[in-house]
Amino acid sequence: EVQLLESGGGLVQPGGSLRLSCAASGFTFTNFAMTWVRQAAGKGLDWVSGISGNSGDTYYADSVKGRFTISRDNSKNILYLQMNSLRAEDTALYYCGARPVSRLGAIDFWGPGTLVTVSS
Amino acid sequence: EIVLTQSPGTLSLSPGERATLSCRASQSVGNNLLAWYQQKPGQAPRLLIYGASSRANGIPDRFSGGGSGTDFTLTISRLEPEDFAMFYCQQYDNSPFTFGPGTKVDI
Repeated sequence: EVQLLESGGGLVQPGGSLRLSCAASGFTFTNFAMTWVRQAAGKGLDWVSGISGNSGDTYYADSVKGRFTISRDNSKNILYLQMNSLRAEDTALYYCGARPVSRLGAIDFWGPGTLVTVSS
Repeated sequence: EIVLTQSPGTLSLSPGERATLSCRASQSVGNNLLAWYQQKPGQAPRLLIYGASSRANGIPDRFSGGGSGTDFTLTISRLEPEDFAMFYCQQYDNSPFTFGPGTKVDI
């Protein structure tokens, strides 16, 4: 059974940094493309970043480019999102998602999310 | 960036009725790389449709997707009580892999 569990969320001041993690289990992690999607309270889904199975390809939303970095450790089955220069508008529930092919696409599996709050 | 527009914003229907949701793209979505998701309050989204018309694993056949190019639809043939939720489309042809703003299907 595919399982994804995000962690690392919390309260951070504007301009601060946070690193999110997504622990994956129940599948061959290397073969899956991984994605971060966020959702502000009461709002819609906002695609943030994605990474191919072999980490060869990474993609970012314009709103986070240059501030966020996606990476993965295929030996530990963990996906990361390093978030720097955080802003109030980054406040959201952050989901990690998985697709059972190496290339990014539709998101078959989702974690429950981790909440990031950017506030002074 | 491909911008997705969904209509209507809210669809008020009753169980047993047919629901037709629209997703329009600002430019053609290549190879029909479009997905539909359902999200209920307090839950993560669930993949319903990928490749514009293929049902994901375990999705009932009352859900169907169609369309191509810039115009796509999600149809729920006969609404069940558990179908009332938010629905989002997403294109994964060009990065960033944008979502539409959503359609709420309520009673």
